[in-house]
Amino acid sequence: ETGVTQTPRHLVMGMTNKKSLKCEQHLGHNAMYWYKQSAKKPLELMFVYSLEERVENNSVPSRFSPECPNSSHLFLHLHTLQPEDSALYLCASSQEGGTRTDTQYFGPGTRLTVL
Amino acid sequence: GNSVTQMEGPVTLSEEAFLTINCTYTATGYPSLFWYVQYPGEGLQLLLKATKADDKGSNKGFEATYRKETTSFHLEKGSVQVSDSAVYFCALHSGNTGKLIFGQGTTLQVKP
Repeated sequence: ETGVTQTPRHLVMGMTNKKSLKCEQHLGHNAMYWYKQSAKKPLELMFVYSLEERVENNSVPSRFSPECPNSSHLFLHLHTLQPEDSALYLCASSQEGGTRTDTQYFGPGTRLTVL
Repeated sequence: GNSVTQMEGPVTLSEEAFLTINCTYTATGYPSLFWYVQYPGEGLQLLLKATKADDKGSNKGFEATYRKETTSFHLEKGSVQVSDSAVYFCALHSGNTGKLIFGQGTTLQVKP
């Protein structure tokens, strides 16, 4: 496979469930990102990892817990979510993360519905 | 702070019409500018980019020129197709924060 892949593509969960989203990049990049895309709202950056260290956490509630075990994999662990957390969750990767010419490449997203 | 403003959508065009989607930005320093496209049910795909003033990014018949004097990066295509129907996002990366700042997106609908 090439590029950035995300699994699952669709997820329905109850508010008391625990689930995880997975992202894998096959581009040899060193930085990975989680974004949230809600209807009628701009893309929201949630977390940034560079060389497996978290370098950005945009005031995201603790019910979202990221994990980056290596530079190719990124997870988003979900627990006790709210219906307003329903959205498309996008993963991205880039070569470096910090320079202005750095280009982010996105996965297809996971469509999450919280009942 | 840094920001990106796009024209409101939806933009509805007939096939083979000329397309312009306006994008203006506010940023300190010299950002890089990007256009991403999101087809229905998919993630964002990089369409084109420009990293310095007067650079022109181009891909798949789309073009955008980095205009520092007007702080703009308008997207153009000479003849749109139905398959171009999607949401288009303008974005900037200033480097100092490591963040990609997106506009709100513009929906394009092309009718046969």
